[in-house]
Amino acid sequence: AQSVAQPEDQVNVAEGNPLTVKCTYSVSGNPYLFWYVQYPNRGLQFLLKYITGDNLVKGSYGFEAEFNKSQTSFHLKKPSALVSDSALYFCAETYSGGGADGLTFGKGTHLIIQP
Amino acid sequence: DTAVSQTPKYLVTQMGNDKSIKCEQNLGHDTMYWYKQDSKKFLKIMFSYNNKELIINETVPNRFSPKSPDKAHLNLHINSLELGDSAVYFCASSDRGHSTDTQYFGPGTRLTVL
Repeated sequence: AQSVAQPEDQVNVAEGNPLTVKCTYSVSGNPYLFWYVQYPNRGLQFLLKYITGDNLVKGSYGFEAEFNKSQTSFHLKKPSALVSDSALYFCAETYSGGGADGLTFGKGTHLIIQP
Repeated sequence: DTAVSQTPKYLVTQMGNDKSIKCEQNLGHDTMYWYKQDSKKFLKIMFSYNNKELIINETVPNRFSPKSPDKAHLNLHINSLELGDSAVYFCASSDRGHSTDTQYFGPGTRLTVL
């Protein structure tokens, strides 16, 4: 069965510092991995996805993520955090042939950027 | 222009009532979805639907039924509402429903059952 783990409920980072939000996956075979962000009382906004190819994926708002198959991880990163990055971040996965099954989401990580 | 829209944004109702939430996408996508976000912010797929097939998550009670009048709309009808149905419901769409497609989400409908 698929599952996505986000081990941290909350990550606190000072503005201007690099940030990392962790995600690990457990689907066998070739996973397809996504990151979404949810601002308060808003819907989910797509940031980036890994399908195949280059392990480093660049996305919206300066975010990037690195797919690491040996560690089954897909951590979200940004070199310099902004206060406006404060939000709830979700990692999600699906798998080949599983489009109709929808996305399997992690429990989310609250990212708090302190001025 | 809003890509995926939902109405209403907020819905407050009594137990036992029947209600519907509407979703529309103007992206020309073939596949639409409904997700439920509970009070702990956990997101779970409820349905996926394209013009050929409805996939139902087996954990969804049959009081919930998706209805699609056309490719751009997927409404969620809920019968005999229960307290546990209180949640935020998100509609989403993707191009062809392939697992590599990006899903685009609506703003959500916050349902409160009293």
